[in-house]
Amino acid sequence: DAKTTQPNSMESNEEEPVHLPCNHSTISGTDYIHWYRQLPSQGPEYVIHGLTSNVNNRMASLAIAEDRKSSTLILHRATLRDAAVYYCILRPSNSGYALNFGKGTSLLVTP
Amino acid sequence: EPEVTQTPSHQVTQMGQEVILRCVPISNHLYFYWYRQILGQKVEFLVSFYNNEISEKSEIFDDQFSVERPDGSNFTLKIRSTKLEDSAMYFCASRKTRSSTDTQYFGPGTRLTVL
Repeated sequence: DAKTTQPNSMESNEEEPVHLPCNHSTISGTDYIHWYRQLPSQGPEYVIHGLTSNVNNRMASLAIAEDRKSSTLILHRATLRDAAVYYCILRPSNSGYALNFGKGTSLLVTP
Repeated sequence: EPEVTQTPSHQVTQMGQEVILRCVPISNHLYFYWYRQILGQKVEFLVSFYNNEISEKSEIFDDQFSVERPDGSNFTLKIRSTKLEDSAMYFCASRKTRSSTDTQYFGPGTRLTVL
């Protein structure tokens, strides 16, 4: 699987927007970009995914660079509940199986 | 909303004992997974299961591990002879289709402590 690089940690104030970056310079043309997060003491949960175009859902937005070598997960208004480890994962289009978790970005949200 | 459930939430066992961790995936899902997370480390893939057979497994999933779907609802992970280093959170996940746009849904995990 192509490799992703994320900052180890980030900090945000409550109710502020948060931009979580991910670099994936070796991404292939058929790799989807998935984001999962893991709240403290819980299993990972899906956040959002995209291929080329920017995506929005009720949890977040995903901005994908034009060359697809990087992406940014955007939380529009961080809440204390958004404090979690955020994982950026590439999924080949022909792969139905394992998610390859890296270390992710640990997001701290302060009141 | 349907969810993956796991039992027990915490299992304590003695080294060398067998343990079975249980999962009930979401009912119409076809692909099932086990992952583990040693305290303070990243989530690691163990095995995936489809159509009553293992689809993929990692190097961690050695002969001490086995998986089974004994009926239409449960999906189990058995560790035959536990070691201290098997202490970890074990997460079950399920997925409806093979499509890479489909998402995996994770259970809350079972904390396994091997003494």
